[in-house]
Amino acid sequence: GESVGLHLPTLSVQEGDNSIINCAYSNSASDYFIWYKQESGKGPQFIIDIRSNMDKRQGQRVTVLLNKTVKHLSLQIAATQPGDSAVYFCVWNAGNMLTFGGGTRLMVKP
Amino acid sequence: EAQVTQNPRYLITVTGKKLTVTCSQNMNHEYMSWYRQDPGLGLRQIYYSMNVEVTDKGDVPEGYKVSRKEKRNFPLILESPSPNQTSLYFCASSFSQGAAYEQYFGPGTRLTVT
Repeated sequence: GESVGLHLPTLSVQEGDNSIINCAYSNSASDYFIWYKQESGKGPQFIIDIRSNMDKRQGQRVTVLLNKTVKHLSLQIAATQPGDSAVYFCVWNAGNMLTFGGGTRLMVKP
Repeated sequence: EAQVTQNPRYLITVTGKKLTVTCSQNMNHEYMSWYRQDPGLGLRQIYYSMNVEVTDKGDVPEGYKVSRKEKRNFPLILESPSPNQTSLYFCASSFSQGAAYEQYFGPGTRLTVT
């Protein structure tokens, strides 16, 4: 698989604010993208996905934006809550394999 | 309850002693996969299986073996563990062949090789 970032940046937001987590992916042939949330001591949990024929998809309090031109993916969380504190991974497929980005830690301040 | 289970959850072993980490899913999923997670490196795919008797290498297969004799089980085998295999391991499954569907992850197995 292609390389992914090794850096784990941290985003700190105030409770109630909106959060935006960004991801640069590396495989131009990818056609499926996912955001996972991982809380401490747990396995990754699916949040939302998007296929390459779309540029935006909304879920409950979350929106994923895809810009294939610049290979950029973002996750927007509305009205961030303390329970949103976790590490967030963007993931993309390469054929039948999945590649995980390096992750972003979201910290929500009460 | 739909779930992916892994056993053991924690394991400390010595270099060279063969071990197996089991993974089982009760969702009749076709696709199963193993990942390892190391600090600062995210998750890296070790092996995956599209269906029974079909397995393929992921990004980091060296030192690992898998088998898929039954649809529900996908054990990870370390024939001769080494300290660089100390890691947190996750098993995952999804309902359809291929990786382009939501994957359900197990709770993880923390392995320490001394």
